[in-house]
Amino acid sequence: DTGVSQNPRHKITKRGQNVTFRCDPISEHNRLYWYRQTLGQGPEFLTYFQNEAQLEKSRLLSDRFSAERPKGSFSTLEIQRTEQGDSAMYLCASSSYRGVSTEAFFGQGTRLTVV
Amino acid sequence: SQQGEEDPQALSIQEGENATMNCSYKTSINNLQWYRQNSGRGLVHLILIRSNEREKHSGRLRVTLDTSKKSSSLLITASRAADTASYFCATDAYNQGGKLIFGQGTELSVKP
Repeated sequence: DTGVSQNPRHKITKRGQNVTFRCDPISEHNRLYWYRQTLGQGPEFLTYFQNEAQLEKSRLLSDRFSAERPKGSFSTLEIQRTEQGDSAMYLCASSSYRGVSTEAFFGQGTRLTVV
Repeated sequence: SQQGEEDPQALSIQEGENATMNCSYKTSINNLQWYRQNSGRGLVHLILIRSNEREKHSGRLRVTLDTSKKSSSLLITASRAADTASYFCATDAYNQGGKLIFGQGTELSVKP
């Protein structure tokens, strides 16, 4: 297994366009997280999944953001009608959850620039 | 919202010195984890300490946890230039379904 893979690595889009990011977690991991990180800040929680079930979506997240994990394997994060404030690094992580959290493995992230 | 708050925000030391970073949190936890991030890269897990543990070691890393003060510290001994990175604590808060919440991080610079 090569670890958590995120695609694309970089995305430049015009304001108002929709973008979709993909995350392929470590295959045996049942938990998948999405975070957003801006320069000089810590990762901000967006949402997470247990298998295919979305457990929670951050209240800070607008309705323009949606995430799926259709078969409990890969996940997609879609941002509709992008705004300049959406420019950030989007990080995906996966872990093996057994009642409490364990070590999370992160992908290299997708850097989004909205122009 | 961030559960953990790291202190200091930035730390600059010479190679060979020890680096200590602190993390304070607000609610009861199942465990606390420390991660490292090199510039522009993903995060790498360093160490996990459970709520019933007080100290853990891994190589040059030593983590302590004081649940009465709701704080943790990460000590890197005999630092190297390659330790230059940002360090984050993440908490798995009790009754929050295993959601990991990160602090703002400490930016460590180790000068050769």
